[in-house]
Amino acid sequence: NAGVTQTPKFRVLKTGQSMTLLCAQDMNHEYMYWYRQDPGMGLRLIHYSVGEGTTAKGEVPDGYNVSRLKKQNFLLGLESAAPSQTSVYFCASWTGGSGYTFGSGTRLTVV
Amino acid sequence: GQQVMQIPQYQHVQEGEDFTTYCNSSTTLSNIQWYKQRPGGHPVFLIQLVKSGEVKKQKRLTFQFGEAKKNSSLHITATQTTDVGTYFCAGRLGSWGKFQFGAGTQVVVTP
Repeated sequence: NAGVTQTPKFRVLKTGQSMTLLCAQDMNHEYMYWYRQDPGMGLRLIHYSVGEGTTAKGEVPDGYNVSRLKKQNFLLGLESAAPSQTSVYFCASWTGGSGYTFGSGTRLTVV
Repeated sequence: GQQVMQIPQYQHVQEGEDFTTYCNSSTTLSNIQWYKQRPGGHPVFLIQLVKSGEVKKQKRLTFQFGEAKKNSSLHITATQTTDVGTYFCAGRLGSWGKFQFGAGTQVVVTP
């Protein structure tokens, strides 16, 4: 039982490049989330999903898009990366009754 | 703006001492969760509090939910070096699965 798996773990992008971060969970959770973590800012919600085929915006959605075509996968896309998107990205899943299960994170640097 | 606030942002503790970190919300919370993130790691769920005035203990950690369900605290007794990390509270504002995270309290322990 792997829990929540994020790929890649590290990435360096040039400004203007695009990329997709993959989150996969094997716990059959309905809810999935993408957060970014910056020093002193805590965890800020980018987008979330309450089930397969549904997505919604969080606190800081600009510059990101998401898709949840399959229940177990939640993809986060950066269409045109900017240095302000340098951050650590965490995916989480949840089913209620307990806490979120987080992935190990993706450390993204945009130069 | 951020509705869940944590204080202090930074806590320097001598090994063996006790300390408390606080979480305050501008609105009533349906429940609150606490997480711990070790340096370089990902947030790990510690506990959830649901009832007004609820107190739960995990070994040296004591968690409390305020009577008005607008604040919470985490008290650690006899701090150890293994307690190093950032502690986040996350408040649930509605009836479904979206929690708002505080900015965290970073704990440094001096031997």
